[in-house]
Amino acid sequence: RKEVEQDPGPFNVPEGATVAFNCTYSNSASQSFFWYRQDCRKEPKLLMSVYSSGNEDGRFTAQLNRASQYISLLIRDSKLSDSATYLCVVNTPYSSASKIIFGSGTRLSIRP
Amino acid sequence: DTGVSQDPRHKITKRGQNVTFRCDPISEHNRLYWYRQTLGQGPEFLTYFQNEAQLEKSRLLSDRFSAERPKGSFSTLEIQRTEQGDSAMYLCASSTPENSHQETQYFGPGTRLLVL
Repeated sequence: RKEVEQDPGPFNVPEGATVAFNCTYSNSASQSFFWYRQDCRKEPKLLMSVYSSGNEDGRFTAQLNRASQYISLLIRDSKLSDSATYLCVVNTPYSSASKIIFGSGTRLSIRP
Repeated sequence: DTGVSQDPRHKITKRGQNVTFRCDPISEHNRLYWYRQTLGQGPEFLTYFQNEAQLEKSRLLSDRFSAERPKGSFSTLEIQRTEQGDSAMYLCASSTPENSHQETQYFGPGTRLLVL
């Protein structure tokens, strides 16, 4: 089993729709979580951190479920510009370092 | 531009040649990471530095790969005797965590390597 798993998609949704995807992680000691966005042939860019209480940034909402060991990303009123790959990142501390694992990404395509 | 920079952005080489990539992190960041990413996959960890010390290397980092960060600023990643399977995007990221579990990485634009 992979340490961080995501549905690869693609999710193909119409503009204006709401779309959500999850990411599961296997290590219960994981402490911090992030969503990155990656456009085709570009570097990953931080979209948002995921806090225990859940957090919202405009049309984007991220949630953490520690009991079931998954995080989610919800995009409301999707725009064409939201088309990208969304990478889940899990950070597990050990000793004085940290172990950062990326999921394989979920591809999202917004159609007009 | 005060972000992470990488050079070159693209590299085409013949199998068996050596290549070297450079990464300049955000200036106040003490941690620097190298990742490799192939199509349809997320970035895979290769190695990371805290200042000039290389603290961890992945099993993916064969003996043909070596990384340095001599003065704790920029880093180089060298691949010797390149193979076609080395073709990938090589990403560099830097961070300055306040503590080990609140670390946010910022990525450079990557170096895309094609081995013929």
